[in-house]
Amino acid sequence: QQPVQSPQAVILREGEDAVINCSSSKALYSVHWYRQKHGEAPVFLMILLKGGEQKGHDKISASFNEKKQQSSLYLTASQLSYSGTYFCGTESLDSGGGADGLTFGKGTHLIIQP
Amino acid sequence: DGGITQSPKYLFRKEGQNVTLSCEQNLNHDAMYWYRQDPGQGLRLIYYSQIVNDFQKGDIAEGYSVSREKKESFPLTVTSAQKNPTAFYLCASSIAPESSGYTFGSGTRLTVV
Repeated sequence: QQPVQSPQAVILREGEDAVINCSSSKALYSVHWYRQKHGEAPVFLMILLKGGEQKGHDKISASFNEKKQQSSLYLTASQLSYSGTYFCGTESLDSGGGADGLTFGKGTHLIIQP
Repeated sequence: DGGITQSPKYLFRKEGQNVTLSCEQNLNHDAMYWYRQDPGQGLRLIYYSQIVNDFQKGDIAEGYSVSREKKESFPLTVTSAQKNPTAFYLCASSIAPESSGYTFGSGTRLTVV
């Protein structure tokens, strides 16, 4: 089942913060986050596996709630280079954590203006 | 440098023709995947393979076929049975799908003319 991402689009000024959410109706085994620039390949940002987990690097971080049904991506003090489309990819608990392929949300378009 | 190579970058197909998209990786990854991307739809899984000589259908496998004869290669054939093949196709691989991210190729944009 496809996870639901929100918002669909965000326009920010440089230096502002953004939050992108990814929700599932069922508990998940894992959540991945990717960023894609127009016409390019998606680039892996991070993976979350444990309920209550928070991780991040530089000014991009993410959390996975205790029930493992929702994840949020946090972009702090956004830079022009953060522009792109952000996707969450999920793997259900039913798959047992195997390599059955991720199910991706429809994406969130992030535009950073100078 | 290690990575995934997809070719060609652009491909034009006449209706009724089969075409094959190439995907080669030198990352020594066991798992490989094919996704289709349409505007506003996200990425949808076509086929995946966890090991050589084995592959499984994803969510939208109808009209597509794959093979996995070598670890580094996972070609995708778009057959004439695929009614709406115009899309951006992405190949990916992963060394440990249960705990690490996917590496994507740069994609092939297929257009039916």
